[in-house]
Amino acid sequence: DAGITQSPRHKVTETGTPVTLRCHQTENHRYMYWYRQDPGHGLRLIHYSYGVKDTDKGEVSDGYSVSRSKTEDFLLTLESATSSQTSVYFCAISWTGRGNTIYFGEGSWLTVV
Amino acid sequence: TQLLEQSPQFLSIQEGENLTVYCNSSSVFSSLQWYRQEPGEGPVLLVTVVTGGEVKKLKRLTFQFGDARKDSSLHITAAQPGDTGLYLCAGEGGGTSYGKLTFGQGTILTVHP
Repeated sequence: DAGITQSPRHKVTETGTPVTLRCHQTENHRYMYWYRQDPGHGLRLIHYSYGVKDTDKGEVSDGYSVSRSKTEDFLLTLESATSSQTSVYFCAISWTGRGNTIYFGEGSWLTVV
Repeated sequence: TQLLEQSPQFLSIQEGENLTVYCNSSSVFSSLQWYRQEPGEGPVLLVTVVTGGEVKKLKRLTFQFGDARKDSSLHITAAQPGDTGLYLCAGEGGGTSYGKLTFGQGTILTVHP
């Protein structure tokens, strides 16, 4: 257990509504990531953070925003959820950004109807 | 954009058989990682290879990183039902891409008793 808690674990929401997923870590790791996992695509990076208030885009960032006001929390927001954002979302953490073990949370299942 | 092609996508074998999963790219990676994921959980790191030509063994699992650091393979000897799961390869880029993983599509392995 890498000390990563994702919430909510399951959510069903309607198209057009805002949704926020929370990732909380107790490991004091500097780097935090949000990935989405879809069949046939593996995991794709949405956004990542390399420190408090320091974030950058991943390969599938459109429609998502993130915030990190504290080391332990990394929030992913879908400003206006669409059906294409139905997915499993994984938070991950690592101590450094290079060649370091990356630990994943247990995932958040989001369904947009 | 770095891409990783993982094959095969599905593998169904009998207990005791050997198997190999491949991960190929036209891009060079600073390291390559292999993960295993169980249903309802996040991926768990099995191994990281960082040197071209490197071979690592983990019990019945053998991981190899290509000489040019563009490809990797996972070989399982005498597969067991407990090996069933989703196997993912992930490449880490260099420079500003440190810590950002590019995942293959995954291989769903089923080992029948």
